[in-house]
Amino acid sequence: EPEVTQTPSHQVTQMGQEVILRCVPISNHLYFYWYRQILGQKVEFLVSFYNNEISEKSEIFDDQFSVERPDGSNFTLKIRSTKLEDSAMYFCASGLSYNEQFFGPGTRLTVL
Amino acid sequence: AQTVTQSQPEMSVQEAETVTLSCTYDTSESDYYLFWYKQPPSRQMILVIRQEAYKQQNATENRFSVNFQKAAKSFSLKISDSQLGDAAMYFCAYRSAQGAQKLVFGQGTRLTINP
Repeated sequence: EPEVTQTPSHQVTQMGQEVILRCVPISNHLYFYWYRQILGQKVEFLVSFYNNEISEKSEIFDDQFSVERPDGSNFTLKIRSTKLEDSAMYFCASGLSYNEQFFGPGTRLTVL
Repeated sequence: AQTVTQSQPEMSVQEAETVTLSCTYDTSESDYYLFWYKQPPSRQMILVIRQEAYKQQNATENRFSVNFQKAAKSFSLKISDSQLGDAAMYFCAYRSAQGAQKLVFGQGTRLTINP
């Protein structure tokens, strides 16, 4: 059964550094999402992406964040200058329609 | 803004017994979707069951069923004949049927299955 995959599983970075989290959605899916979960807190929506553009974003998704689908298979989340409070589990999700979201296993980001 | 509340941080049940996980939500919308996701220790969230608000009939998927009370804004998950593999974090989630695609999650309930 096809799955959403994410790399790396764990990323450690220094505050102020740029990080790129990578996701490979299920191949025929059209809708893409990023969520994050700070340890002990709720899963929070960051951004949705459809037809090569952002369709919705949360207040968390400020100018430090960007998303890209560079080659038709990968879906990336870039954080330009990481802060301590960006430490979290980041989940990618994809769906064939807006009515479904299949999640990846997540990338744990640790900002030191 | 919509909110989802899961008031039980942890639940436990004996193997083969039935357990019910609670979820309440707040919305002014009349049309929406509700979901239960399971997150096993491997941390990949898996969709367990989905309910459309316009449907009066409660959704069921094998051993999993929901009790959807629209007026009370309640959406509980019942797991029958609990199995060791059901041990996980369970998240209730809401999605608007209009425009917004984002899922709004509850805090989660950690379910332990006792052999």
